[in-house]
Amino acid sequence: GAVVSQHPSWVICKSGTSVKIECRSLDFQATTMFWYRQFPKQSLMLMATSNEGSKATYEQGVEKDKFLINHASLTLSTLTVTSAHPEDSSFYICRAAPGTVNEKLFFGSGTQLSVL
Amino acid sequence: QKEVEQDPGPLSVPEGAIVSLNCTYSNSAFQYFMWYRQYSRKGPELLMYTYSSGNKEDGRFTAQVDKSSKYISLFIRDSQPSDSATYLCAMSVSSSNTGKLIFGQGTTLQVKP
Repeated sequence: GAVVSQHPSWVICKSGTSVKIECRSLDFQATTMFWYRQFPKQSLMLMATSNEGSKATYEQGVEKDKFLINHASLTLSTLTVTSAHPEDSSFYICRAAPGTVNEKLFFGSGTQLSVL
Repeated sequence: QKEVEQDPGPLSVPEGAIVSLNCTYSNSAFQYFMWYRQYSRKGPELLMYTYSSGNKEDGRFTAQVDKSSKYISLFIRDSQPSDSATYLCAMSVSSSNTGKLIFGQGTTLQVKP
């Protein structure tokens, strides 16, 4: 099956610093990538939809100036958490698809962010 | 009321048991239903994908959809310790990969040897 690589898998940072998370589709091109956040014992919440070459579409309540998304190529999307605070500590997961149907969606392995 | 409701568990069963995981939903427009398995600190992996009422079987897994009752289930036969994970249901209105997926809270399953 298709592989979506996400790095880093775990990051610890000080409050006020910025953290970049990468999501790569290794063996397919992904026009669209999705970014989710998951708090412990809670569901995946969609943060934004990233389209190659254009601005990301953010869900209501997600601060676009805090969560910067870049989708510069068909195989790479990045999420940057700017000026991170302890409340941003969460599990972040990307999702991508090689085609147009959601049956063939693949998730990255996730990134656990801990802000001290 | 949440669009998708899923009992968070935890659910603990002995090895070999039949496991039943369930989700209810309120939006009758949902047409596509998925079950994902998520191990701790990992991304979810797709187990089952269905788009009609009825049953779909894949090995030890059976997905059941009852649109009239707005209820979906995942059955695991002959459960194994390796099945211990969180199981998430998800559903969408569209089959398009740009369609929004709505996830349940996830049910944590532990299969004891």
